[in-house]
Amino acid sequence: DTEVTQTPKHLVMGMTNKKSLKCEQHMGHRAMYWYKQKAKKPPELMFVYSYEKLSINESVPSRFSPECPNSSLLNLHLHALQPEDSALYLCASSQAPAGPGTGELFFGEGSRLTVL
Amino acid sequence: GQSLEQPSEVTAVEGAIVQINCTYQTSGFYGLSWYQQHDGGAPTFLSYNALDGLEETGRFSSFLSRSDSYGYLLLQELQMKDSASYFCAVRDHGGATNKLIFGTGTLLAVQP
Repeated sequence: DTEVTQTPKHLVMGMTNKKSLKCEQHMGHRAMYWYKQKAKKPPELMFVYSYEKLSINESVPSRFSPECPNSSLLNLHLHALQPEDSALYLCASSQAPAGPGTGELFFGEGSRLTVL
Repeated sequence: GQSLEQPSEVTAVEGAIVQINCTYQTSGFYGLSWYQQHDGGAPTFLSYNALDGLEETGRFSSFLSRSDSYGYLLLQELQMKDSASYFCAVRDHGGATNKLIFGTGTLLAVQP
């Protein structure tokens, strides 16, 4: 199983709503990532979890709150978002957070978020 | 700051060869990767260069020159299904965790 599964695929929310994006992988990977991607732009790193601990936060606003309940799951909690936060949110995993090898990231299909 | 520059668009015909360049300026460097992303799809890994030289994987090859902070992806025998966005990505070091920083992306259009 080389899949990273993200739910929901599409989400529409108002600026006062609270919602969560979910990500799951069963490859035994120990690093998990959240990226944000705007149309026709590259993915931008938001957070990295290494062995279920938050390792990197790329100065992301606190209205985005990541959580890693266990080694297979990664959540992104959303609260009081702005319309400019509308984007594709990509989850990814890699075998290890560092070390030798290609560092290949396995991406999910993403959750397309629209903030009204 | 960190920057990875790519041409924004490239057009080629089926069966041709195309080269997508990437120049980078980053605070750290462990290696250069290439990812393909079809419209509406997930980025997928194509290749990785940690050392200078050419890596070949089927129709795709990737080259790295660390002294020039430059790499390229070479796609041979182009097929319509190769129409996609291509991103170079630098594996940078963020403490105990590597970070993958993506380039600006190149939209490849393959025409019949």
